[in-house]
Amino acid sequence: AQSVTQPDIHITVSEGASLELRCNYSYGATPYLFWYVQSPGQGLQLLLKYFSGDTLVQGIKGFEAEFKRSQSSFNLRKPSVHWSDAAEYFCAVARAQGGATNKLIFGTGTLLAVQP
Amino acid sequence: DTAVSQTPKYLVTQMGNDKSIKCEQNLGHDTMYWYKQDSKKFLKIMFSYNNKELIINETVPNRFSPKSPDKAHLNLHINSLELGDSAVYFCASSQDFSAGYNEQFFGPGTRLTVL
Repeated sequence: AQSVTQPDIHITVSEGASLELRCNYSYGATPYLFWYVQSPGQGLQLLLKYFSGDTLVQGIKGFEAEFKRSQSSFNLRKPSVHWSDAAEYFCAVARAQGGATNKLIFGTGTLLAVQP
Repeated sequence: DTAVSQTPKYLVTQMGNDKSIKCEQNLGHDTMYWYKQDSKKFLKIMFSYNNKELIINETVPNRFSPKSPDKAHLNLHINSLELGDSAVYFCASSQDFSAGYNEQFFGPGTRLTVL
């Protein structure tokens, strides 16, 4: 079955430091991959997505992610973290179910804390 | 203008009661979804409607009944509420369901607490 694994439940980084959040997926075909961010008490906002083409994708708020088929990974990166980046980050894969290809399977999330 | 809105934002109720959560999107999208986020922040899809037609129905107790009066609205009615129903429920919408890369836009969530 399709699945998404985020190995890190909680990560703390210093403001200005670089960040990498890990995501591994299990999917038989070319996946559609997403990173969403959830700020406290808020809904989810899309940071970036991959579905074809260049394996390095750029997103909003200075985030980028690289799709590596050989490693079944889609890690999220940011070169310099800001205090406002503190939030929960979710990796997700879209799978096909019957005619509905837009069913999102989410990872368990990584909570990012930013210290001054 | 809020793209995907939900009411109420908070809902506190007793076990056994029946309650509804409403969702509206003003994006002109054809497809809407309900997700449940449990206390460990795990998100799981419950239902999806495309242009008022049910297209995804996960293994959800039949106490949960979605209703889509038109493609801009998707409501969730829950009968005989149980303690385990306590969660945050998110509504989302996307342009359609046929392209897996379409972004889903999420509402702010409804925090349901069953006492």
